[in-house]
Amino acid sequence: GNSVTQMEGPVTLSEEAFLTINCTYTATGYPSLFWYVQYPGEGLQLLLKATKADDKGSNKGFEATYRKETTSFHLEKGSVQVSDSAVYFCALSTSYGKLTFGQGTILTVHP
Amino acid sequence: EPEVTQTPSHQVTQMGQEVILRCVPISNHLYFYWYRQILGQKVEFLVSFYNNEISEKSEIFDDQFSVERPDGSNFTLKIRSTKLEDSAMYFCASSVGLKTRFTDTQYFGPGTRLTVL
Repeated sequence: GNSVTQMEGPVTLSEEAFLTINCTYTATGYPSLFWYVQYPGEGLQLLLKATKADDKGSNKGFEATYRKETTSFHLEKGSVQVSDSAVYFCALSTSYGKLTFGQGTILTVHP
Repeated sequence: EPEVTQTPSHQVTQMGQEVILRCVPISNHLYFYWYRQILGQKVEFLVSFYNNEISEKSEIFDDQFSVERPDGSNFTLKIRSTKLEDSAMYFCASSVGLKTRFTDTQYFGPGTRLTVL
């Protein structure tokens, strides 16, 4: 079956630090890959997505590249802000649209 | 910007009682979903719904669960006889319904926290 594994958290950084959150997946077929973010008290919001190998998704300074050879979709940001503090979920979708999520990574950014 | 809404935000119920969780998907969306997240665990898929019928369901979605679109705007999840282990955050989502469903973006509501005592 399909599965997503995210790096163990939580992650604590100082403002302007570089962020990487690792995500690897196992899937049958060719999935689409997503990063969702959940701010305190809110629902999951799509951060970025990539639908085929070597695609790069980007939004709000965050980037992730679909790497088929390493089955990975790592999230990166060059300079984090306090407002980026949230829970980040990596997810994949296959033919019928069902999302399979990773366990989520809590990011805390200190001033 | 259109958004998915859910009511109530928090529901407390006694074991064995029926609960109905409500969702209003984005108006031009065709596919609807329910997910749940037990505290400290992954977000898990429950069911997807299209054209007034279930298109896929997980092994979690047993006979105690049902979904319905009773009118043109609401999408509901009913749990017939709640158990302690049903305590979780329940998220509703909707998507436009692209021809290639797996590339479709799902938009999530803020969730309903269900507490079963």
